[in-house]
Amino acid sequence: DAGVIQSPRHEVTEMGQEVTLRCKPISGHNSLFWYRQTMMRGLELLIYFNNNVPIDDSGMPEDRFSAKMPNASFSTLKIQPSEPRDSAVYFCASPTEFTGELFFGEGSRLTVL
Amino acid sequence: RKEVEQDPGPFNVPEGATVAFNCTYSNSASQSFFWYRQDCRKEPKLLMSVYSSGNEDGRFTAQLNRASQYISLLIRDSKLSDSATYLCVSSPGGYSTLTFGKGTMLLVSP
Repeated sequence: DAGVIQSPRHEVTEMGQEVTLRCKPISGHNSLFWYRQTMMRGLELLIYFNNNVPIDDSGMPEDRFSAKMPNASFSTLKIQPSEPRDSAVYFCASPTEFTGELFFGEGSRLTVL
Repeated sequence: RKEVEQDPGPFNVPEGATVAFNCTYSNSASQSFFWYRQDCRKEPKLLMSVYSSGNEDGRFTAQLNRASQYISLLIRDSKLSDSATYLCVSSPGGYSTLTFGKGTMLLVSP
């Protein structure tokens, strides 16, 4: 199994630009999480999908952030327009149903100048 | 008050030492607890679950104290490869309520 796959691994962009982060969860995992990690705030849950349906998006910072999961094997997190305070590592994760263990992707490191 | 609090460290210990981390949680309804390990510039990975009776996995021992609302991680005979950040996680139930601490950094030196 390839694990959770995220792209891009690194992105540097300028303030105001649109950023799209992509995630492919582990096949057969029915849930998907997007997290953001910064030194100041640690790991924060942004949004959680179950069977492609957004269940909890209370962690999405503001309207500039949106997430979709059009099918079981793909999700996107979009930031438009991006701001310097959005600079962080964004992780996608999917849990096993049996043990609940969360498998994280390698993360997308975003820098907004 | 943060829901899950950890001493950020770093804890600097020599190889072979025993080191312990504590983590406090504020939600008394928390039912599930975990320790995750995160290497520098890598993703978090599950180290171990924490059961009410405590559990041990090789050199690692996790304990839960519900009365005082803290969990602990003990590492015996530290190895250089144990150098990482250890994240404490609590949940009252359901994946969406997993709350991560900011982590405790461990540095093991030769």
